Amino acid sequence: LAKTTQPISMDSYEGQEVNITCSHNNIATNDYITWYQQFPSQGPRFIIQGYKTKVTNEVASLFIPADRKSSTLSLPRVSLSDTAVYYCLVGGLHNTNAGKSTFGDGTTLTVKP
Amino acid sequence: DSGVTQTPKHLITATGQRVTLRCSPRSGDLSVYWYQQSLDQGLQFLIQYYNGEERAKGNILERFSAQQFPDLHSELNLSSLELGDSALYFCASSVSPGAGGDTDTQYFGPGTRLTVL
Repeated sequence: LAKTTQPISMDSYEGQEVNITCSHNNIATNDYITWYQQFPSQGPRFIIQGYKTKVTNEVASLFIPADRKSSTLSLPRVSLSDTAVYYCLVGGLHNTNAGKSTFGDGTTLTVKP
Repeated sequence: DSGVTQTPKHLITATGQRVTLRCSPRSGDLSVYWYQQSLDQGLQFLIQYYNGEERAKGNILERFSAQQFPDLHSELNLSSLELGDSALYFCASSVSPGAGGDTDTQYFGPGTRLTVL
């Protein structure tokens, strides 16, 4: 599983656009990039997934450059309810490293009024 | 609602005891994953099953075991429980076994909160 690096935390204000970048230098050819959102005491929720270029759905956009070594999750006009931990996950579990969290530490986004 | 169900929602037990957590995957999903999340910690991958067979193993203790049944539901057994085993245990499911494609997207259940006293 490709190792991912994300900022530990980010702060924003209501109505702003938030961009969270994830680095994944050793992404494999067949790996997809998936982002999850987790609220306290709840299971992670799928937000968006992509392979290359740009993907957009009703809640977010995902930008992936041509070399695919990073990706950026874009949340338009965030609200207080977007305060959560966001995880970037690359590939599948075909290369699990025992003892390591495949989801990494995630980015804690705090949206302020 | 992800379509993944977990029971029970809460479980309180004593040290040294044994418990079983149950997970039913989304309809059509063949792969089941188990994760442990302690307070303020990330998701620690425990184990994965695909169509009844163990597929991948993470940092799972020897006191823990799991299995996936022919109807594809899965159970996680935790024995000789210790205080440090108190955590949220999540189950996730996906269509495929983890080859990296879009069918590997994991859908998570609501979790079981285990408290060991």
